[in-house]
Amino acid sequence: GAGVSQSPSNKVTEKGKDVELRCDPISGHTALYWYRQSLGQGLEFLIYFQGNSAPDKSGLPSDRFSAERTGGSVSTLTIQRTQQEDSAVYLCASSLGLAGGQYTGELFFGEGSRLTVL
Amino acid sequence: QKEVEQNSGPLSVPEGAIASLNCTYSDRGSQSFFWYRQYSGKSPELIMFIYSNGDKEDGRFTAQLNKASQYVSLLIRDSQPSDSATYLCAVLTGGYQKVTFGTGTKLQVIP
Repeated sequence: GAGVSQSPSNKVTEKGKDVELRCDPISGHTALYWYRQSLGQGLEFLIYFQGNSAPDKSGLPSDRFSAERTGGSVSTLTIQRTQQEDSAVYLCASSLGLAGGQYTGELFFGEGSRLTVL
Repeated sequence: QKEVEQNSGPLSVPEGAIASLNCTYSDRGSQSFFWYRQYSGKSPELIMFIYSNGDKEDGRFTAQLNKASQYVSLLIRDSQPSDSATYLCAVLTGGYQKVTFGTGTKLQVIP
């Protein structure tokens, strides 16, 4: 499809295990964001990639969280040694980013990956 | 001070009334402003964006921007029960050119 694709849609894991969440953005979108949303809460910013610039990692809650974006396209969010408080929906969004000399801010969201840590 | 602030609500309005949702932001260098709607259990979707001071209308929705007051609002006319959702204000801030979200206002339209 032409939208943002995330996988897995659901992940149940045991405390202490590592998990990887994948995001495939819309083709041609240079900006990619990861957010976390706990039940009934707002969007918590995690990390932002824009083109070849160094990512803004200011929202990562601890060093157990890391993310990569390979070839300016697919991104993987890795959570090591998962804890119960990591249970949430992880949302990925992409944007055109720099277009026509200006940054655009219209974000297109994936369906999210629901993580449950037992 | 949070970069983007919204009243969390819930804001309850009767069907057919005007719902008014408000947002303030702290970065005077912010350039673009967005309203997203998020239904329960779904991902946010963009419903309006505004770049210039004044009003922008799209159907029943009107976005209003006042850069001097660092204030952006969304008006929903003839509110319908299907408008019941959380409305997220987002701002494209200067500097790092990153989109920052408010915590959202939950709107309930009562039939």
